[in-house]
Amino acid sequence: GAVVSQHPSWVICKSGTSVKIECRSLDFQATTMFWYRQFPKQSLMLMATSNEGSKATYEQGVEKDKFLINHASLTLSTLTVTSAHPEDSSFYICSADRGRNAFFGQGTRLTVV
Amino acid sequence: TQLLEQSPQFLSIQEGENLTVYCNSSSVFSSLQWYRQEPGEGPVLLVTVVTGGEVKKLKRLTFQFGDARKDSSLHITAAQPGDTGLYLCAGEGAGANNLFFGTGTRLTVIP
Repeated sequence: GAVVSQHPSWVICKSGTSVKIECRSLDFQATTMFWYRQFPKQSLMLMATSNEGSKATYEQGVEKDKFLINHASLTLSTLTVTSAHPEDSSFYICSADRGRNAFFGQGTRLTVV
Repeated sequence: TQLLEQSPQFLSIQEGENLTVYCNSSSVFSSLQWYRQEPGEGPVLLVTVVTGGEVKKLKRLTFQFGDARKDSSLHITAAQPGDTGLYLCAGEGAGANNLFFGTGTRLTVIP
């Protein structure tokens, strides 16, 4: 099946620093990728839709200047959490569609201390 | 926002028992997907149902899409400890290119 790879799997950073998370589609091209955030014991919440070659579309309540998304190629989207704060600590997951099915990355556990 | 409510939210059963998880919405979806997620990992796709009334079987798992394409169910027969995880339904909205996720059902199967 299609594979989506996310890196890093976990990261710990200090408050005020920025963290970049990569999402790659390994065996298919994805013009659109999605970024989700998941709090403990909760479902996934869509943060933004990443579009190759154009600006990302953010869901209501998600700060676009804080969560920078870049989709520079058909196989790579990045999410940068800028000036991270402890409340940004969460599990971030990306996905890409192949046909009608969505394939997810392994997720990135971000802890801001 | 197209909301998908899953029930039950938590379920703890003994190995060998059967169970059903429900995914309900007031919205119509062009397709509905079921995922299983283990702690610290991304969701893994189990099945996609597209046609109203469709039933799909995956070994001991049976998935059904409601006739009106507003709801779905997942039935597990003879649950095993390996079935433990978070089960998520997700609907593909008409005209939307993203998935709307359900509230999730955390299943624990006790040996």
